[in-house]
Amino acid sequence: GENVEQHPSTLSVQEGDSAVIKCTYSDSASNYFPWYKQELGKGPQLIIDIRSNVGEKKDQRIAVTLNKTAKHFSLHITETQPEDSAVYFCAAPYEKLTFGTGTRLTIIP
Amino acid sequence: DGGITQSPKYLFRKEGQNVTLSCEQNLNHDAMYWYRQDPGQGLRLIYYSQIVNDFQKGDIAEGYSVSREKKESFPLTVTSAQKNPTAFYLCASSGRLAVGGSYNEQFFGPGTRLTVL
Repeated sequence: GENVEQHPSTLSVQEGDSAVIKCTYSDSASNYFPWYKQELGKGPQLIIDIRSNVGEKKDQRIAVTLNKTAKHFSLHITETQPEDSAVYFCAAPYEKLTFGTGTRLTIIP
Repeated sequence: DGGITQSPKYLFRKEGQNVTLSCEQNLNHDAMYWYRQDPGQGLRLIYYSQIVNDFQKGDIAEGYSVSREKKESFPLTVTSAQKNPTAFYLCASSGRLAVGGSYNEQFFGPGTRLTVL
């Protein structure tokens, strides 16, 4: 099966600075890597995903990079804003999606 | 307005009682999932269903049961055999795995918070 490790578990950054969250996975057959954002008391929402045929994907202030050789992928948030404060989860599949343990991101005004 | 609905939002149960959590989707998705979320932990898969009338155990199925009689609905029953049922329960749905095993986005419901008194 798949094993997904996510770091750090908590992250505080000054508003306007960048935040980076990293995940590693174990199964070299994994080919889809989503990132979810979960606000307090709500269900997770997909914010960006990447498939194994590309190394980077951007969507405005959010980007995801994938290194298949090293089996890790990262979420990058630039120009952080207070509304970016949430818990972020990565995931990787084998037969089913396996989620990381989450990163609580706090943006300091 | 398409999406996934879960009800109720909050649920209280006495020890020894079974309780059923509702999950409905109108996204025409084939696959549906139930996850459990505990504080400081990720999402752990309880059960999933790729097609009507078929479902598989996830990583923590003990003490839970499901049914998938309709494409739109995937109710989860938390039985008295589940020793520590207090948690946040999330339902999700997605399109069926594409050819070659390519995954589709999972859409999550708003969750049900179950508390055992």
